[in-house]
Amino acid sequence: SAVISQKPSRDICQRGTSLTIQCQVDSQVTMMFWYRQQPGQSLTLIATANQGSEATYESGFVIDKFPISRPNLTFSTLTVSNMSPEDSSIYLCSVGVTPGQPQHFGDGTRLSIL
Amino acid sequence: SQQGEEDPQALSIQEGENATMNCSYKTSINNLQWYRQNSGRGLVHLILIRSNEREKHSGRLRVTLDTSKKSSSLLITASRAADTASYFCATVLIQGAQKLVFGQGTRLTINP
Repeated sequence: SAVISQKPSRDICQRGTSLTIQCQVDSQVTMMFWYRQQPGQSLTLIATANQGSEATYESGFVIDKFPISRPNLTFSTLTVSNMSPEDSSIYLCSVGVTPGQPQHFGDGTRLSIL
Repeated sequence: SQQGEEDPQALSIQEGENATMNCSYKTSINNLQWYRQNSGRGLVHLILIRSNEREKHSGRLRVTLDTSKKSSSLLITASRAADTASYFCATVLIQGAQKLVFGQGTRLTINP
């Protein structure tokens, strides 16, 4: 199965700033996803990162707030822009090889906004 | 809103006992998956059950699926302290769909 490295593992940021989270996979994968997990909650899909084209965002998430890049089949970034305390969450990257089949997750980035 | 509802939200049992967690969903699915999340970590896939399957086993795990009731259960037998984690069900709505839709999760605590 794919090995996923996510950086940073945690950060504490000031409100109004932006943070970019990186997701590196040890093999080429077709699908990469970004999730948010608010404290004590389940996972909510932010967007699907598409290689070579704009990400596909879920309802309630917009590109200006969560710009995503995917320059190749092994790497993606998620930026959380103009952060507020409500953005304090765990952000997780996952990858999939076959649609509908199990995804493999990184360890997540625990983000706290002061 | 989330596709799945899980109950109980939290479960605390003694080591060696069996733990049962339930998941309900609202629309037709292609498959349903169970994941485990240890505190502060990512999710680990446990088991996948297809819509035409009723029961599946993997080691100490047993998953059932009742499509008429739109529900699934995860049974962990002979629980161990290392099973302490949050457990999530996730559904794939149609064949070929990429997205997973997660339930709310059950926080399981195994007391030694």
